[in-house]
Amino acid sequence: GQQVMQIPQYQHVQEGEDFTTYCNSSTTLSNIQWYKQRPGGHPVFLIQLVKSGEVKKQKRLTFQFGEAKKNSSLHITATQTTDVGTYFCAGPKGGGNKLTFGTGTQLKVEL
Amino acid sequence: KAGVTQTPRYLIKTRGQQVTLSCSPISGHRSVSWYQQTPGQGLQFLFEYFSETQRNKGNFPGRFSGRQFSNSRSEMNVSTLELGDSALYLCASSLEVVAGGRSTDTQYFGPGTRLTVL
Repeated sequence: GQQVMQIPQYQHVQEGEDFTTYCNSSTTLSNIQWYKQRPGGHPVFLIQLVKSGEVKKQKRLTFQFGEAKKNSSLHITATQTTDVGTYFCAGPKGGGNKLTFGTGTQLKVEL
Repeated sequence: KAGVTQTPRYLIKTRGQQVTLSCSPISGHRSVSWYQQTPGQGLQFLFEYFSETQRNKGNFPGRFSGRQFSNSRSEMNVSTLELGDSALYLCASSLEVVAGGRSTDTQYFGPGTRLTVL
């Protein structure tokens, strides 16, 4: 079963509101990756965090990796309709390029 | 560079049949991973191939198999299809596998093959 959980499962926001999704792993991760999947599309890589406590920003998106390297968060400031989609975190488990994906958070943005 | 391509994009099969899906990675990428995506189970890892060898395998029955060719193109096969195999099958390629599995290179996903089993 899933070893990487995300909350919330769904989030509806009004355009301009902030949004945060949280990712929790049952085990320590060497790194955490975030992907975005638009409706009807495929996952697209957003970012990778490697260091404990690392924080990275991409425009309105802020990604954080927990101190214990077991949790992560993605925060979007002032959401726009282009932010609609499902956001997945993923961590390597088992070596190589094997990724265990989180359960995903589906974001809907209403005008 | 062209992205990851998958063929066919859509497929309808009946129970008991078998199916072969194809994936062409980004030029120069040697690692190809396959994932199954369903509404109920989310994204689940099937297997990874690197230099024509299976490097990792997920928790799927033996009906699911794959291979990689010398040009890094990969195929996956599902035999004796079941209704529960209906899913979006995604292929992802990455540049290389880091020795020891201490870090993971960026994975680039293809558009997927949507398989419907009737």
